[in-house]
Amino acid sequence: GQNIDQPTEMTATEGAIVQINCTYQTSGFNGLFWYQQHAGEAPTFLSYNVLDGLEEKGRFSSFLSRSKGYSYLLLKELQMKDSASYLCAAMDSNYQLIWGAGTKLIIKP
Amino acid sequence: GAVVSQHPSWVICKSGTSVKIECRSLDFQATTMFWYRQFPKQSLMLMATSNEGSKATYEQGVEKDKFLINHASLTLSTLTVTSAHPEDSSFYICSARVPGLDLGYTFGSGTRLTVV
Repeated sequence: GQNIDQPTEMTATEGAIVQINCTYQTSGFNGLFWYQQHAGEAPTFLSYNVLDGLEEKGRFSSFLSRSKGYSYLLLKELQMKDSASYLCAAMDSNYQLIWGAGTKLIIKP
Repeated sequence: GAVVSQHPSWVICKSGTSVKIECRSLDFQATTMFWYRQFPKQSLMLMATSNEGSKATYEQGVEKDKFLINHASLTLSTLTVTSAHPEDSSFYICSARVPGLDLGYTFGSGTRLTVV
């Protein structure tokens, strides 16, 4: 079956770095997305990886290893506003998104 | 750019009534619209995929007669929850694929439905 695994909750300190991991199993693969979702709001797009390696966008970076079925989202210089849920989603061979349950990130001062 | 406008943001309705949720793509044509439901502290669950001018494709376990989807134009898709029950209370979100944006998807702002 198709499955996405990511930690339920993580805690980090303001100004620090945090890495949120995601492993996936899908029927075919057409890329891996990361979204940020604040409570009560819709998700917003952060990144898309389809090739192995690291993609950097400002304070956020995303990494993909297709052979390992593994991705991570790296957040640097954490700010209080980064407190949110981070959703990992893999696109299967039918271009359908398979969503993880999300990782709730709690930032402490 | 690439905005999907979703209305209403929240709605409270009585059991047995129907509620319509609209999603409009404001600056691009959304050939396909995805409708999700999200319960508290859970992941997004795809309910159905609507394509302009054709019947929607529903996921297993989603009642097509209860959740009516219409995608009459390239900029408008609607979801109608018919004969709503308290267990239908959830956060409903629409999403469309954005052309040329690394296959990114943009989401509507969501509709919080509470059935009393």
